[in-house]
Amino acid sequence: DGGITQSPKYLFRKEGQNVTLSCEQNLNHDAMYWYRQDPGQGLRLIYYSQIVNDFQKGDIAEGYSVSREKKESFPLTVTSAQKNPTAFYLCASTSGGLGLETQYFGPGTRLLVL
Amino acid sequence: QKEVEQDPGPLSVPEGAIVSLNCTYSNSAFQYFMWYRQYSRKGPELLMYTYSSGNKEDGRFTAQVDKSSKYISLFIRDSQPSDSATYLCAVGGSGGYNKLIFGAGTRLAVHP
Repeated sequence: DGGITQSPKYLFRKEGQNVTLSCEQNLNHDAMYWYRQDPGQGLRLIYYSQIVNDFQKGDIAEGYSVSREKKESFPLTVTSAQKNPTAFYLCASTSGGLGLETQYFGPGTRLLVL
Repeated sequence: QKEVEQDPGPLSVPEGAIVSLNCTYSNSAFQYFMWYRQYSRKGPELLMYTYSSGNKEDGRFTAQVDKSSKYISLFIRDSQPSDSATYLCAVGGSGGYNKLIFGAGTRLAVHP
């Protein structure tokens, strides 16, 4: 089955700790995205990558970092600099170009602070 | 002013009702208009998309875009309890990459 997988489903972070959220896709999509979802605020773009070894900041990149070493993988690290990390994190991918209609989302990771 | 405004609801309707969900947007450069459905604790799934003003129908769902008013709507006919979810509108196509701007989402509950 083609799709996007995210792990873990739930993640707990202690104060001062960096944590990494996994996102893998087997859709052969070029572009991948990370969004953060908070109640009443919709989805906000954290980082995106249009091609391997290249990524760009989104609207709320502070306190986050990413890498794109492989086409199928786009992990997100929530660093200790992110003071309010509790949220639902969603990874998405699209074939790129004008293929907006082919954007797929993963099942999400819920991050909670202990 | 937010780029996309969407009434968060919640909206509660009886089974069989016609549901109207709406969004307004501020940038006339947006070219793509989408509706996503998100069940609780799940990722959004694409429901409808359109590139132009007018209506697009898919089964019980109709997406409507009025570019002159910067207004988009989703109509659900014969609503079912399984339609209970959060509906997110999204607009895009104003930049050099596939960036979407999402509304806050409207929570819909369809009761039997």
